[in-house]
Amino acid sequence: DTAVSQTPKYLVTQMGNDKSIKCEQNLGHDTMYWYKQDSKKFLKIMFSYNNKELIINETVPNRFSPKSPDKAHLNLHINSLELGDSAVYFCASSQGAGGRNTEAFFGQGTRLTVV
Amino acid sequence: GEDVEQSLFLSVREGDSSVINCTYTDSSSTYLYWYKQEPGAGLQLLTYIFSNMDMKQDQRLTVLLNKKDKHLSLRIADTQTGDSAIYFCADKSMIKAAGNKLTFGGGTRVLVKP
Repeated sequence: DTAVSQTPKYLVTQMGNDKSIKCEQNLGHDTMYWYKQDSKKFLKIMFSYNNKELIINETVPNRFSPKSPDKAHLNLHINSLELGDSAVYFCASSQGAGGRNTEAFFGQGTRLTVV
Repeated sequence: GEDVEQSLFLSVREGDSSVINCTYTDSSSTYLYWYKQEPGAGLQLLTYIFSNMDMKQDQRLTVLLNKKDKHLSLRIADTQTGDSAIYFCADKSMIKAAGNKLTFGGGTRVLVKP
């Protein structure tokens, strides 16, 4: 039973299109994240949601809009895709609470290629 | 802001020990993590260490933390070909009371030669 699942696994699309990536976790966690991994494997946080509330937004262009309909889901919608958006996008979840170790579980990633 | 640095590449012979090093800048780090990423896969947590510890051992893995120098290392004993992967160091900084952000290093690509 997959803990953090993302769909689709691969996405190839043309510049200018709008696309969405979905993420679901069945761990009962209250915090979910989107990370971007570029072609050089650098991983950077984009967003974090806790109990459906946005708590981290790391200077991501506003073409990227996360949506959390409930605690178990965090979707990422991208408008007007650009070549530079090509990357692997990872969803993650953790039981967020200050101080305690809160291991983040990662999905398998969505490889987005913009042509 | 926070910064985490790692060497890019490590080549090691099967059966030898591997040591992957990491430095970080965030003084308020509470936990530090090592993740493993195999080709085409997501990130798998290998181990973590609380910032008031200086060593943690978990089977073939030994984590050493020098908090004064902000230096973290991961030692893999008896390295196997299945250990070939990219290893990411990450530190957790506190963002508000109910949210945690992981800052990742650039990853160390470990190649194990038979």
